Amino acid sequence: AQKITQTQPGMFVQEKEAVTLDCTYDTSDPSYGLFWYKQPSSGEMIFLIYQGSYDQQNATEGRYSLNFQKARKSANLVISASQLGDSAMYFCAMRGRGGSQGNLIFGKGTKLSVKP
Amino acid sequence: GAGVSQSPSNKVTEKGKDVELRCDPISGHTALYWYRQSLGQGLEFLIYFQGNSAPDKSGLPSDRFSAERTGGSVSTLTIQRTQQEDSAVYLCASSLRDGGTDTQYFGPGTRLTVL
Repeated sequence: AQKITQTQPGMFVQEKEAVTLDCTYDTSDPSYGLFWYKQPSSGEMIFLIYQGSYDQQNATEGRYSLNFQKARKSANLVISASQLGDSAMYFCAMRGRGGSQGNLIFGKGTKLSVKP
Repeated sequence: GAGVSQSPSNKVTEKGKDVELRCDPISGHTALYWYRQSLGQGLEFLIYFQGNSAPDKSGLPSDRFSAERTGGSVSTLTIQRTQQEDSAVYLCASSLRDGGTDTQYFGPGTRLTVL
C-alpha cells in the first residue's frame, strides 16, 4: 500500500531564510507522481509543485523546489527566501501513475510558521 | 479561468438530517474527486469520477454516503442521516484527466457541522 510520511508537525523559519519540509513515501509502483500542496488558514488547497518518478531533474517552480532522492524515497520541499505569506500547512501527496487508483494519498502535513 | 467551486461554504445541520454538497469542477476536466478533511483523520479520499466510467467508491466510509455526477460536470455528495462524526471539511478536486501526472485542483471546501 502507498504511504506518505511527514515527520515534522510544525516548523519555524525566519523571514527571507530557506526552509526544507520533509516527506518520505512508500510504494511498490514503479511509476508514480509526487505533489506538494499548501493550505493557508483560509482552507483552500493550493498546488505548488509536481515530481514524476522518472523525471531526471528535480522539479522547480519559482521559490519552490523539490529535493527528490528516489533511492531514499524522499521528496522534500525547499522554500527559498521565505515570506510571511508562506505561513500555512503543507501537504505532501502521491498517486500511482497509470494505476487504477486516481486519488491522492496525503501525509499528515507540516505547519510552517514564518517569523518576521 | 474559473476554478473549482463548492457550495455551500458552510453547512450546519442536526444529527439525523440529510445534506447535499455541491461541486462544480473546472470546465473541461474529466476527473472529479471528493475528499474529507477532519482533525483526527487528516485528508481522506472518498470517491472519484472519471468520464463515463463507473465511479471509484472505495473511500466512502459507510452506505450513508453517496455521490453522483450529472452530465460529466457538476457533482453532488449526499450524506444521509448525518452523524456528529461526519463533521469535517469536504473538499472537491478536479483534473484534466485521471493520469498520474495530472494535477488535481481543489475547491474551497464545504465545512459541515453536525449538531
